[in-house]
Amino acid sequence: AQSVTQLGSHVSVSEGALVLLRCNYSSSVPPYLFWYVQYPNQGLQLLLKYTSAATLVKGINGFEAEFKKSETSFHLTKPSAHMSDAAEYFCAVSSQGGSEKLVFGKGTKLTVNP
Amino acid sequence: GAGVSQSPRYKVAKRGQDVALRCDPISGHVSLFWYQQALGQGPEFLTYFQNEAQLDKSGLPSDRFFAERPEGSVSTLKIQRTQQEDSAVYLCASSLRRLSGGFFEQYFGPGTRLTVT
Repeated sequence: AQSVTQLGSHVSVSEGALVLLRCNYSSSVPPYLFWYVQYPNQGLQLLLKYTSAATLVKGINGFEAEFKKSETSFHLTKPSAHMSDAAEYFCAVSSQGGSEKLVFGKGTKLTVNP
Repeated sequence: GAGVSQSPRYKVAKRGQDVALRCDPISGHVSLFWYQQALGQGPEFLTYFQNEAQLDKSGLPSDRFFAERPEGSVSTLKIQRTQQEDSAVYLCASSLRRLSGGFFEQYFGPGTRLTVT
């Protein structure tokens, strides 16, 4: 079975500060890993994905994440937060070669203060 | 060129009523998924179709939940005899079929917010 743990249900940063959202996963098979963003009353939008190529993955809006197998982590970072980054972020896992279904974490709500 | 659409966007049902939620996937997308997102939680998988075939329904919480995709395009999620615990946002996603060793992104609709009173 696969699972995702997101540490911190709420993260607050100042505009211009580093954003770090933590994600740890559990998977008995090689995983695909994803970060999605959800704005209020909207669906999920894919920020970036790890699919067994480069371990440092760059996504949209200046976000990036690094796959660390030894730590079973896939933390999301952005060097400088913008007000428009305020949203809820979800980490998800699926299995390579297996079912396409996504298993999500509980989410982290990011607040950006002016 | 439109994305995944869902209707209705909001649904209020009295306990015991039946509801039907519709998903229109992106044209040409073979795979279709339903997820349930309770308040303050991440989405949870309900069921998966490849064309008209329902390949995985392991996430459906009870036999009151039923999903279909008869022509391999539009899908309907039906909930019979709704209960308060069914209150959630129901998300639909679609993707191209994943070939061996490949990956295709799931595109999500805006969701249907179901409130059972």
